[in-house]
Amino acid sequence: EAQVTQNPRYLITVTGKKLTVTCSQNMNHEYMSWYRQDPGLGLRQIYYSMNVEVTDKGDVPEGYKVSRKEKRNFPLILESPSPNQTSLYFCASSQRGNPLDTQYFGPGTRLTVL
Amino acid sequence: AQKVTQAQTEISVVEKEDVTLDCVYETRDTTYYLFWYKQPPSGELVFLIRRNSFDEQNEISGRYSWNFQKSTSSFNFTITASQVVDSAVYFCALSELDGANSKLTFGKGITLSVRP
Repeated sequence: EAQVTQNPRYLITVTGKKLTVTCSQNMNHEYMSWYRQDPGLGLRQIYYSMNVEVTDKGDVPEGYKVSRKEKRNFPLILESPSPNQTSLYFCASSQRGNPLDTQYFGPGTRLTVL
Repeated sequence: AQKVTQAQTEISVVEKEDVTLDCVYETRDTTYYLFWYKQPPSGELVFLIRRNSFDEQNEISGRYSWNFQKSTSSFNFTITASQVVDSAVYFCALSELDGANSKLTFGKGITLSVRP
């Protein structure tokens, strides 16, 4: 089944404790992206990747890192999480990064930083 | 800069009523794409429809229909004979090429509650 998976689905952590949220897709998509969803703000893009080893900042990249060493994986790294990073995070992928391509979303990761 | 406005924040209807969710967008490009996504209480984002800027034909899929009007920069979504399972947050989104990034710009979402 074609899908985007994220782990963990739920995470409660404390300020400053490094964490990684994994994202994997099995559709051989070139383009992958991370969004965060906050009440009243909709979804905002954090980082994106056009292909392996090609990543760039989205609209709200501060406090986050990403890497794209393999085509299928695009982990989101929070080196020193803070309470304002409490949010619902979505990973998405699409075939080529063309605006026509539909972006498929993972199930979401609900992160709470205390 | 591109922008998507969903002016309605919450809508509550009784089952079997028709409901229209409004979406207005702003873009400088002539080529762009519009999407609707549904987010049920379980939290995942479900793709509903994609429409490109050159195709103004309205679309109907079962109880769902979409009205795209370039003249008013609107892409409205109507649910006919709503059902409790339609209760969700609905997002309208705009996709255009921003440098090398086909970023989706989302509206803030509309929470639809369908009461039995």
